[in-house]
Amino acid sequence: NAGVTQTPKFQVLKTGQSMTLQCAQDMNHEYMSWYRQDPGMGLRLIHYSVGAGITDQGEVPNGYNVSRSTTEDFPLRLLSAAPSQTSVYFCASTRGGQMNTEAFFGQGTRLTVV
Amino acid sequence: ELKVEQNPLFLSMQEGKNYTIYCNYSTTSDRLYWYRQDPGKSLESLFVLLSNGAVKQEGRLMASLDTKARLSTLHITAAVHDLSATYFCAVDHYGGSQGNLIFGKGTKLSVKP
Repeated sequence: NAGVTQTPKFQVLKTGQSMTLQCAQDMNHEYMSWYRQDPGMGLRLIHYSVGAGITDQGEVPNGYNVSRSTTEDFPLRLLSAAPSQTSVYFCASTRGGQMNTEAFFGQGTRLTVV
Repeated sequence: ELKVEQNPLFLSMQEGKNYTIYCNYSTTSDRLYWYRQDPGKSLESLFVLLSNGAVKQEGRLMASLDTKARLSTLHITAAVHDLSATYFCAVDHYGGSQGNLIFGKGTKLSVKP
């Protein structure tokens, strides 16, 4: 089992460019989410999905789009990159239910916008 | 707005000492999560606390949850260098276990010989 896989691991973008961060999970988890981590800020929820075709906004959704066409994949799109989006991005998946509901995290994508 | 506050944010300990990290949250929630993050790495789940009064222990770490006080604690017993990491608590954004978490800012723990 690979768990949660994020690609790429590192990326440098120029201001105004767009890109998609990929996230895939092979655990058949129902729920997936995206976070960004900035120094001193902890992790902040960007968008999440409670199932294929269903997404919603988190704490800091502006400048990002998501879609969930399959259970396995949950890509995050940066529409027009800005230096403020320089961050480490983590994708996570969760089985849901009543027990063992912790989120499993990918290895992260370190994004720099210049 | 749901807020999760941890303190302290930085903690420097000597090996062998005990200490407690506190996590307060501002909404009713019946579960709370603790994660560990090593520098440059991803997050690793430590504990899932599912109800009021829940207590879980793993090695030198013990976590507890008081939902009435909206408080969780992570107690470190006889710290060792390997425990040096950043520890995060988190709660579910809308109360359900759907993986959309609100995190505290983290407690950076440094254990010195």
